[in-house]
Amino acid sequence: SQQGEEDPQALSIQEGENATMNCSYKTSINNLQWYRQNSGRGLVHLILIRSNEREKHSGRLRVTLDTSKKSSSLLITASRAADTASYFCATFQTGANNLFFGTGTRLTVIP
Amino acid sequence: DTAVSQTPKYLVTQMGNDKSIKCEQNLGHDTMYWYKQDSKKFLKIMFSYNNKELIINETVPNRFSPKSPDKAHLNLHINSLELGDSAVYFCASSQIDGEPQHFGDGTRLSIL
Repeated sequence: SQQGEEDPQALSIQEGENATMNCSYKTSINNLQWYRQNSGRGLVHLILIRSNEREKHSGRLRVTLDTSKKSSSLLITASRAADTASYFCATFQTGANNLFFGTGTRLTVIP
Repeated sequence: DTAVSQTPKYLVTQMGNDKSIKCEQNLGHDTMYWYKQDSKKFLKIMFSYNNKELIINETVPNRFSPKSPDKAHLNLHINSLELGDSAVYFCASSQIDGEPQHFGDGTRLSIL
């Protein structure tokens, strides 16, 4: 399978806490992207990290990439109730034409 | 302004019918996609298309066919609908393969 796998499948935290989600994949990649999906809506792109990058920040988001372990993590700091959503990683694999999405992590932030 | 818009948002129909879902993007992107999201939220690519090439996921039944009247539109036609076609279908676009994709809000297809 070309899809990534995310861990955990579901995560519930209190507002203000940090949330960490992990993504593992199996093939060589050109880049890895994280998306958020609110209930009943389409996916929204959050951040893209290229294969030659190890860490990237965007506001309260921090993404790391370890190509030797074929894994990435998404950290959301100081979570808010509005961060409640499903989060997906997606890989753009070497030689492919499209993204392959992971199985998603359902994040619930309790006010 | 909606970047990627799909219509209809909900589609309820009977088995065996033929239906279409429309998608339009106003971002000037060259590549558009169709995805199927099942009840477990797994997102599977069905087609990717730019003005040069259509890439079909080989697992997609030939009852599904994309049609692009111009660069800003990629419609999805489905013939002889089956119960297993029930899902949410998403249209997306990007400037080129591998760059961030912009998604529509999905069409929830329910087969009776």
